[in-house]
Amino acid sequence: DTAVSQTPKYLVTQMGNDKSIKCEQNLGHDTMYWYKQDSKKFLKIMFSYNNKELIINETVPNRFSPKSPDKAHLNLHINSLELGDSAVYFCASSHADRGYGYTFGSGTRLTVV
Amino acid sequence: GQNIDQPTEMTATEGAIVQINCTYQTSGFNGLFWYQQHAGEAPTFLSYNVLDGLEEKGRFSSFLSRSKGYSYLLLKELQMKDSASYLCAFYSGGYQKVTFGTGTKLQVIP
Repeated sequence: DTAVSQTPKYLVTQMGNDKSIKCEQNLGHDTMYWYKQDSKKFLKIMFSYNNKELIINETVPNRFSPKSPDKAHLNLHINSLELGDSAVYFCASSHADRGYGYTFGSGTRLTVV
Repeated sequence: GQNIDQPTEMTATEGAIVQINCTYQTSGFNGLFWYQQHAGEAPTFLSYNVLDGLEEKGRFSSFLSRSKGYSYLLLKELQMKDSASYLCAFYSGGYQKVTFGTGTKLQVIP
């Protein structure tokens, strides 16, 4: 299936731990993103990579570090997790033609306890 | 600055028509998206407007007025499965940065 797939779907972890979320797309898109959706359903961009190059880096704590080994993968590593990091994290990718919009992964629900 | 406003919640009856409004403020506006998001799922792309006017796609239509910073999503012949959040988002500047609104939660009732 052509899609954006991210793992894990659910992640429950203790404060202070380090965790990673992986994302892969097989759509041939050049640009990939990480979005955070909080409890109020506000979807906010965190990072964007175009052909493995970081092009958008919003005001995000430096505990969050994206890594793009190739243009089909964009992973998110989070150090020293805090309670406020609890949210749903969506990976997305987009075609060069913006008219097709973004294709989102199914999301990773992160709960920090 | 950049801002998007849309109603938080709306309720409409099955078979009816509903219009979800969105106003936005940004510099370097390039286009406006509408996404649908069912509870617990990822957003899915509905439409993208660049030019002023109405674009129709089956039961869904989207309108844009760039001079007024205004868009709406029109849903016709509402079905129960249309109950979802509808996210307005604009594309501005370079590098495909898309800014989302908080979404309008639509409940379709029998």
